[in-house]
Amino acid sequence: GQNIDQPTEMTATEGAIVQINCTYQTSGFNGLFWYQQHAGEAPTFLSYNVLDGLEEKGRFSSFLSRSKGYSYLLLKELQMKDSASYLCAVRVYGGATNKLIFGTGTLLAVQP
Amino acid sequence: ETGVTQSPTHLIKTRGQQVTLRCSSQSGHNTVSWYQQALGQGPQFIFQYYREEENGRGNFPPRFSGLQFPNYSSELNVNALELDDSALYLCASSPGQGENTEAFFGQGTRLTVV
Repeated sequence: GQNIDQPTEMTATEGAIVQINCTYQTSGFNGLFWYQQHAGEAPTFLSYNVLDGLEEKGRFSSFLSRSKGYSYLLLKELQMKDSASYLCAVRVYGGATNKLIFGTGTLLAVQP
Repeated sequence: ETGVTQSPTHLIKTRGQQVTLRCSSQSGHNTVSWYQQALGQGPQFIFQYYREEENGRGNFPPRFSGLQFPNYSSELNVNALELDDSALYLCASSPGQGENTEAFFGQGTRLTVV
């Protein structure tokens, strides 16, 4: 089966750093994505990892360990606008299809 | 701006009715995937179209069907609507099947079944 776990909710303070963890058990791993989703809106792409290690993109970084089935998203210098749901998604390849398997999302609340 | 557009943005239907949702993929993208996102959940894969052919399907019943047109736009059809079909329906397009292809999401269609 395909399973992706991430915390349901997190709270952090403006200006701080927060780490959102994601563990996965999937078949046919073909990359891990992080998306940000504000309420009622479409997911927007944040980062992509296919090899082990850290990918940095401005205030956002994402880490992947394929042997541990583990990833995290690191958000630095938190801003109020970062309050959103963060979705971890694993791309799996089966037959002729690349599809995304999503976790349930982590709702991050940034407080002043 | 991703360039993926969906219509309509909101829709209310009655149980038992049929609905068609539409998606225009980003220019140059030949692959379209549809996802259903229930409230408080992550998106669930419904199916994918590549060059007008369905090439993958998630765990959804046959009353969920789709089409992709020569211009790579796509439709999702749902027959015999049930209350549990109420969700945000997301369309994602990508430029192919390669490893480094990112999926771009449209703004979604919020379907309410009453």
